[in-house]
Amino acid sequence: AQSVTQPDIHITVSEGASLELRCNYSYGATPYLFWYVQSPGQGLQLLLKYFSGDTLVQGIKGFEAEFKRSQSSFNLRKPSVHWSDAAEYFCAVGPTGNQFYFGTGTSLTVIP
Amino acid sequence: AAGVIQSPRHLIKEKRETATLKCYPIPRHDTVYWYQQGPGQDPQFLISFYEKMQSDKGSIPDRFSAQQFSDYHSELNMSSLELGDSALYFCASTMGGERSGELFFGEGSRLTVL
Repeated sequence: AQSVTQPDIHITVSEGASLELRCNYSYGATPYLFWYVQSPGQGLQLLLKYFSGDTLVQGIKGFEAEFKRSQSSFNLRKPSVHWSDAAEYFCAVGPTGNQFYFGTGTSLTVIP
Repeated sequence: AAGVIQSPRHLIKEKRETATLKCYPIPRHDTVYWYQQGPGQDPQFLISFYEKMQSDKGSIPDRFSAQQFSDYHSELNMSSLELGDSALYFCASTMGGERSGELFFGEGSRLTVL
């Protein structure tokens, strides 16, 4: 069965520090992988996506993610976090059939 | 650029009432997904439509129904509302059904059931 796991429920980092959010997936075929960000009370905004090709993908707001097939991972990274990055981050895989599967999310707190 | 439009943005209903949420996808998008997100939860897939036909069904209660119309907009109808239906309901659209690519989300409709 397809699934997405985000092991870290909550992460706190200092402003300016580097960030890595983990995502592991289970998928039978070559996945399409996504990272979305959600600010409180807002919709989901796409940060970046991986369909094929270069396994290191660049997204908006200085984020990047690396697809590692051997580890079934698609971790999100940012070299220097800004206070405005505080939000909920969701990893997603799909579509399979006609469903997209979301992880349970990682809540990011940024300390000044 | 046009985005996914959801209405209403906020809705307050009482138990056992009925609510209808509307979703207008991005122009030329023919696939619509509905998600329910409870407080502090990840989005849960409810139902999807491709070319006006139901394409997949998730954890949608029998009290809920949905359809996609000829102009590709979709409506989610919720009856006999329960307190547990209070959530943020997202609509997302994309093109082309299976293996179609990324989802574009609306800002959500927040339903509060009193």
